[in-house]
Amino acid sequence: EVHLVESGGGLVQPGGSLRLSCAASGFTFSSYEMNWVRLAPGKGLEWISYINSDGRSTYYADSVKGRVTVSRDDAKNSMYLQMNDLRGDDTALYYCAREPPGYSSPLDCWGQGTLVTVSS
Amino acid sequence: DIQMTQSPSSLSASVGDRVTITCRASQTISTYLNWYQQKPGSAPKILIYGASTLQSGVPSRFSGSGSGTDFTLTISSLQPEDFATYSCQQSYSIPYTFGPGTKVQIK
Repeated sequence: EVHLVESGGGLVQPGGSLRLSCAASGFTFSSYEMNWVRLAPGKGLEWISYINSDGRSTYYADSVKGRVTVSRDDAKNSMYLQMNDLRGDDTALYYCAREPPGYSSPLDCWGQGTLVTVSS
Repeated sequence: DIQMTQSPSSLSASVGDRVTITCRASQTISTYLNWYQQKPGSAPKILIYGASTLQSGVPSRFSGSGSGTDFTLTISSLQPEDFATYSCQQSYSIPYTFGPGTKVQIK
């Protein structure tokens, strides 16, 4: 069975850092593109980051560009999101989501999310 | 960036009702439009991709249509387990963008 499990969230002060992890199982992780999507309180889903299957191509939403870095370790079947200079509007539930190979595929499998709260 | 809008933002309906939700893209996205369902405390779930292709395991009462800039999600006969928030997403180009969501509530 396909599983994605996020971890690493927590309470952090403004300006602080967190490293989120996404552990994958039940599929050939190295074949899939991966994404991070967040859901802030009272708002809709917001895509924030993409990494391709070989890790050489990454993209970010303008709202986080310059403050976050996505990476993956296929040997560990894991993806990471290093988040720096966190702000209050980064408070959200952060999901990792799988994107099957192929042009413009949907996000077909999601984890349960890890909560990031930015507050003093 | 491609902006996605949805209407209505919320609706109240009864079990058995036919429900239609619309999604509009700020520029043409062909049929690279996906629909997700999210219930409180749960992860989003893909319902429809490519504007009209039902994801495996999704009940046939869900259907999608449209191309270019205008899309619809239809639930032919609303069931108790369908009360949730529905979001569209364009996968035509990065940055991927989602609509603001439509909350379907019990009347």
